[in-house]
Amino acid sequence: KAGVTQTPRYLIKTRGQQVTLSCSPISGHRSVSWYQQTPGQGLQFLFEYFSETQRNKGNFPGRFSGRQFSNSRSEMNVSTLELGDSALYLCASSPWSGLQETQYFGPGTRLLVL
Amino acid sequence: DAKTTQPNSMESNEEEPVHLPCNHSTISGTDYIHWYRQLPSQGPEYVIHGLTSNVNNRMASLAIAEDRKSSTLILHRATLRDAAVYYCILRTKTSGSRLTFGEGTQLTVNP
Repeated sequence: KAGVTQTPRYLIKTRGQQVTLSCSPISGHRSVSWYQQTPGQGLQFLFEYFSETQRNKGNFPGRFSGRQFSNSRSEMNVSTLELGDSALYLCASSPWSGLQETQYFGPGTRLLVL
Repeated sequence: DAKTTQPNSMESNEEEPVHLPCNHSTISGTDYIHWYRQLPSQGPEYVIHGLTSNVNNRMASLAIAEDRKSSTLILHRATLRDAAVYYCILRTKTSGSRLTFGEGTQLTVNP
């Protein structure tokens, strides 16, 4: 099976703009989670979607949003970009939602905000 | 979220065993212990998980203390490709699918 794919892999934006990142989970996986990784804060959970519904949300401002489509593909959107949003954004998928499920991570999208 | 404590860094020689410790003194009876690792320039990858008993898979072994307040990830023969940051994560009923990453242990493998 193909792994988790994320597009684009690299992105440069300026402050105030918005950005949309895309994640295609492993075929058959219905849960998609998003994480932000920065040198200062490490890996932090953003949100999880399962069957097109947000199941869990991390401690991020409302500028960060996401959605999931009926084919389980997911997008996350960041509006009004700030310099501090520069990070590696990682997507992970799992067959179901739950604490025993192994999460499979994609390679990430590296976002640079200037 | 339940907290884990790991050493910041460890060093090993190639082809020698590596024991990566993790303390989780506040673990509850239904919490699972998961290990992930992140190789340079890659997303994290699953290594192993367990609840009470020791576990083995093709990548590693997980030894869980009898009181479950600590665990050890064992790489039986380290290779240069095992150089990564290793994260010990407690997965609880309240955290669900969310993985709460700490700072992890940076493992250096010397040739």
